[in-house]
Amino acid sequence: DVKVTQSSRYLVKRTGEKVFLECVQDMDHENMFWYRQDPGLGLRLIYFSYDVKMKEKGDIPEGYSVSREKKERFSLILESASTNQTSMYLCASTGTSGSIGTIYEQYFGPGTRLTVT
Amino acid sequence: QKEVEQNSGPLSVPEGAIASLNCTYSDRGSQSFFWYRQYSGKSPELIMSIYSNGDKEDGRFTAQLNKASQYVSLLIRDSQPSDSATYLCAVLIQGAQKLVFGQGTRLTINP
Repeated sequence: DVKVTQSSRYLVKRTGEKVFLECVQDMDHENMFWYRQDPGLGLRLIYFSYDVKMKEKGDIPEGYSVSREKKERFSLILESASTNQTSMYLCASTGTSGSIGTIYEQYFGPGTRLTVT
Repeated sequence: QKEVEQNSGPLSVPEGAIASLNCTYSDRGSQSFFWYRQYSGKSPELIMSIYSNGDKEDGRFTAQLNKASQYVSLLIRDSQPSDSATYLCAVLIQGAQKLVFGQGTRLTINP
């Protein structure tokens, strides 16, 4: 079974703090993703990575950065947390297969509910 | 036009009936399609994937794909109250390395 774990289920931080969210997958997947999910807005992609030390901006990268130093670990960093970053943060991973690198099933971690006060 | 569209619901279905969830997508070149179930406060869980036209069955779930009509659906037979959740449709856009998700359909199964 694919397992994606996230460092915290619930997190409360103060405005201006630097926040680190960690994600680890145990299936040797190449691709990893960070989303946030808010009521009425659905899943929104923040950043993704298709290889170690590689990163691509998603739809809403502003205010966030990422780090992928090892294949199994993908970190999301809030440089200076703000109240509008209060949200559910979801990490996901997928493998690739075939000569064209087609992504198949994407698996999610349990999520981190972050509250910024 | 949104890339992946779903009726947000809520969709209410009596217990034991068939629940039908629908999804349309705009990229004609899309090849991979997925259905996720998400319970309130939890993360999305992959329940079905489909890559070829036609039906794919897994237990009480059947995914149906019609690429000509750019339409994918999920049928849940013998619906149970535990099926009450939000169902997300996801599509792999051609040439991309990321999924595009619909907004989700909230399904309620009434005992």
